[in-house]
Amino acid sequence: NAGVMQNPRHLVRRRGQEARLRCSPMKGHSHVYWYRQLPEEGLKFMVYLQKENIIDESGMPKERFSAEFPKEGPSILRIQQVVRGDSAAYFCASSRLTSDSYNEQFFGPGTRLTVL
Amino acid sequence: AQSVTQLDSQVPVFEEAPVELRCNYSSSVSVYLFWYVQYPNQGLQLLLKYLSGSTLVKGINGFEAEFNKSQTSFHLRKPSVHISDTAEYFCAVRTHNAGNMLTFGGGTRLMVKP
Repeated sequence: NAGVMQNPRHLVRRRGQEARLRCSPMKGHSHVYWYRQLPEEGLKFMVYLQKENIIDESGMPKERFSAEFPKEGPSILRIQQVVRGDSAAYFCASSRLTSDSYNEQFFGPGTRLTVL
Repeated sequence: AQSVTQLDSQVPVFEEAPVELRCNYSSSVSVYLFWYVQYPNQGLQLLLKYLSGSTLVKGINGFEAEFNKSQTSFHLRKPSVHISDTAEYFCAVRTHNAGNMLTFGGGTRLMVKP
């Protein structure tokens, strides 16, 4: 049973370019979460999505960042016109939809974005 | 809003010694509590979680944690560490009511020395 898949694992972009990070949730999971880990810091929540819906984007920067989770295919975190401050590890997690209030999140290996 | 504080950014310890990694949280509502481990260049792996019931929680790799509601703490312990326990450890909380987002502490780097 494959876990949460993220690609690419490492991404290098120059300032002003676009970065696209992909996340395939575990089989049977319909919820996806994106977190960002800046150097020497903990993870910070960015966005929570279900298929074709953004549920909570309270942690997303107001500009240049967007996320989607289409009906088919992986979830995409898109960063436009990247700046050096966007350099970080971006982690995706997924969970099931259950009737319980607790839905364990399973994390992917992360994408490490470096902006030159 | 909730927050998590991990008081120690680094904890050096000798192999086979006991260790405690501290975590304190603040929240106006009931929370679920978690400890995750992150090995170099890898994702997060769940060590243990407190949802309800017994305040002493046992996890994988010999780790355990105790939920103390009055002190709003959830410290992680292991009686005897191995070199392979060297990693970054993150404490996290999630409120019962709204949303599924996890709030993480800043992490504690456990460095086990031979």
